[in-house]
Amino acid sequence: GENVEQHPSTLSVQEGDSAVIKCTYSDSASNYFPWYKQELGKRPQLIIDIRSNVGEKKDQRIAVTLNKTAKHFSLHITETQPEDSAVYFCAASGRTYKYIFGTGTRLKVLA
Amino acid sequence: DTAVSQTPKYLVTQMGNDKSIKCEQNLGHDTMYWYKQDSKKFLKIMFSYNNKELIINETVPNRFSPKSPDKAHLNLHINSLELGDSAVYFCASSLGSSGIEQYFGPGTRLTVT
Repeated sequence: GENVEQHPSTLSVQEGDSAVIKCTYSDSASNYFPWYKQELGKRPQLIIDIRSNVGEKKDQRIAVTLNKTAKHFSLHITETQPEDSAVYFCAASGRTYKYIFGTGTRLKVLA
Repeated sequence: DTAVSQTPKYLVTQMGNDKSIKCEQNLGHDTMYWYKQDSKKFLKIMFSYNNKELIINETVPNRFSPKSPDKAHLNLHINSLELGDSAVYFCASSLGSSGIEQYFGPGTRLTVT
């Protein structure tokens, strides 16, 4: 069935360093890949997304890359700040229009 | 100016009871969703409605019954609550049925004792 694997499960970086979170999806028909940030006790918030006809998308310090051949996509956060600390979820959506979420990455940015 | 709202925020109840969670969105979206987030933070789709029509119905116990009176509202009724139903339930909405750009509500933390 449809599956999204996400790594790492936890990630600690020093403030100012970069963070990379990677996801792999199983359904080759997936064509939409959003990333959500969830702070403790809060709702998941959409931070960036990418569609299958694009290889890379940037929004200030955040970028997402997609490799359709390998069925990989990644979130890159540059110049990390303490407020970037949260759980990040990737998701994939395709023919069934439903999100299959990854298992989440807990990012800690150490000041 | 809350986009997606849910009530109640917290719900503590005993096993065997029946409870409802309500969701409303003022974004003008026509598709709404229910997700369950368990204690390990796994997020899983439960149901989706597009213009009041059920379009996604995952494998959930039939004790869970969604209802959409109109496209701005989606409620979730749970019968005969069990300990394993304890979780955070999120409502979400999107424009169109393709599921792109889903916006989540604040969540309802359900605790079954």
